[in-house]
Amino acid sequence: NAGVMQNPRHLVRRRGQEARLRCSPMKGHSHVYWYRQLPEEGLKFMVYLQKENIIDESGMPKERFSAEFPKEGPSILRIQQVVRGDSAAYFCASSTQGAGTDTQYFGPGTRLTVL
Amino acid sequence: RKEVEQDPGPFNVPEGATVAFNCTYSNSASQSFFWYRQDCRKEPKLLMSVYSSGNEDGRFTAQLNRASQYISLLIRDSKLSDSATYLCVVIPASGGSYIPTFGRGTSLIVHP
Repeated sequence: NAGVMQNPRHLVRRRGQEARLRCSPMKGHSHVYWYRQLPEEGLKFMVYLQKENIIDESGMPKERFSAEFPKEGPSILRIQQVVRGDSAAYFCASSTQGAGTDTQYFGPGTRLTVL
Repeated sequence: RKEVEQDPGPFNVPEGATVAFNCTYSNSASQSFFWYRQDCRKEPKLLMSVYSSGNEDGRFTAQLNRASQYISLLIRDSKLSDSATYLCVVIPASGGSYIPTFGRGTSLIVHP
């Protein structure tokens, strides 16, 4: 059973370009969470999705950031017009139910560098 | 006060030592607690859940003190491989979407 997969593992963009980060949850998991981790910082929640639904996006910046989890295919975190401050590690996690006691399994992360 | 606070460390201990970390949380309605481990430039991995009665897994013991709103992690007989950052995670009981809040982590360095 493959774990949570993320790609690309490393992404370099110039300021103003778009970044697309993909996350495939573990088999049987229908809940996906995206987190951002800045150097020397903790993980910050961004958005929680189920298939075709955004459940909670309270941690997502209002502008330039969007996320989706289509019926088929991976979840996508999209950052438009990237700025240097977007440079960070972006982790995706998945779980079976999204309940409070449910374990989240993390992917290896995508390290975004904005030049 | 931050929602979840941890001493960032680093805690420098020799092999075989016993070390303990605390994590305080501000939301008294929090319902679920976890410790994760994160190695440098890797993803967090679940170490253990924290139950009200306390729980033990080999050399690791987790405790919850609801009255004082903190959880703890005790590591006995430290190994070099225990060197990592330990993240405390708290999940609220209300709000509907059970969004976890992560502490910034406590760094542990075990030396020979």
